[in-house]
Formats: sequence, C-alpha cells, structure tokens
Amino acid sequence: DGGITQSPKYLFRKEGQNVTLSCEQNLNHDAMYWYRQDPGQGLRLIYYSQIVNDFQKGDIAEGYSVSREKKESFPLTVTSAQKNPTAFYLCASSIEGAPNQPQHFGDGTRLSIL
Amino acid sequence: AQKVTQAQTEISVVEKEDVTLDCVYETRDTTYYLFWYKQPPSGELVFLIRRNSFDEQNEISGRYSWNFQKSTSSFNFTITASQVVDSAVYFCALSGANYGGATNKLIFGTGTLLAVQP
Repeated sequence: DGGITQSPKYLFRKEGQNVTLSCEQNLNHDAMYWYRQDPGQGLRLIYYSQIVNDFQKGDIAEGYSVSREKKESFPLTVTSAQKNPTAFYLCASSIEGAPNQPQHFGDGTRLSIL
Repeated sequence: AQKVTQAQTEISVVEKEDVTLDCVYETRDTTYYLFWYKQPPSGELVFLIRRNSFDEQNEISGRYSWNFQKSTSSFNFTITASQVVDSAVYFCALSGANYGGATNKLIFGTGTLLAVQP
C-alpha cells in the first residue's frame, strides 16, 4: 500500500545527544514536510522540501536539521541545540508544494527526554 | 497574517447526537484553501476535505457536512448521528495562494477533541 512510514514510533534522547527521525514515502510525492505537535496546540511547521536537494525552514527550525537526498526520504535530526524536544513529530507529503494540495501524514514519532 | 481559531477545546456527545465543530479563520489572501483533518488516537492525521475560497457551496459526504461562509470567515464541520468511531481530534487548517516558490504552508488550529460516548 502507498503511504508514509515514520520510524521509530517512540524515541528517547539523552542530554547532548542528536537523534534522527526517519520518514519514507512511496506516494511519488515531490513535497515533504515535518511538523511538531505539542499538547493543546496545533501542528507547527519545522522544515519543508518541495523537491529533492532543496529544503526550507519553517516556523520553528531552530535546533533541527534535515536532508532531502532522495525523493522518498526526508529525515529529521533533532540536535542538542533543541532544548525542549519532547513532542510528537509528524511527517507529511503532497503531490507538489502547492497550497491547494492536501498533505498526507505518517503516524508520527513520539520523542521524549531521558 | 493567517490564523485559524477552533474555540472548542473538547466536546462530549452521546452516540447518535449531531455535533458541529467550529472553525474561524483570518487571512488577507483573496485565494485560499481550507482543510479539515481527523487525528484518531493512533496519531496519524487523515485528510477529510478541502474547500477553495471561491467555492462557497456546502458539501455533504455521508454523515459529514461542511458549511463554508466567507461572510463570517467560518468553515464549520457537522457530524450527523455521531458514532464512537468518530472520537478523535479534529483540526481545521488554512493555506494561502503563495504559489510559485513559496510554500504550501498549512496553518493549523489548535484542534477540537471530540468524545462520542456509547
């Protein structure tokens, strides 16, 4: 089945450690996105990529980094510079980076601090 | 600036009741798009509907219906004869027409938690 796969489902980070969240899609979508969800808040955009080898910062990019070397993959690294990383992270994709295109989401990774 | 307000944090209904989830938006774009997503306990957001700013027709899909009113900047979602499986967090979202190099940036509301009791 086509879809977006995020792994792992749960992740724990130690102080000073970088961790990487995986996002893979087989929908042949050009655009991919990373969102952060905190309790009682809507989703906030971290990074997005409209095409391979290109990505842009969203609203809360500080402390995060991404790469887009393959169309199918858009990994997110939470660096030690992100002082409050505990959250639910959602990856999404759309056919193209156009405002009328619905985004399709993975089932998320929950990150916690040890 | 763009903004989406979902004033209802939580709603609890009994099965078979009708329920309306409110969504009010702000935008200066003349062309924009509104979305509703459902987030069940599993966490994945499921796309429900997209509405263009130039199409104010209401839409019905089974037990779901959407009422888009530009005059009041609202895009409300009604579930008729609610079922336990409708229990989820529902998000309203907005994107503008910054096409051509900008971003398909979705602005989300804070969500409404719907609990349908048997």
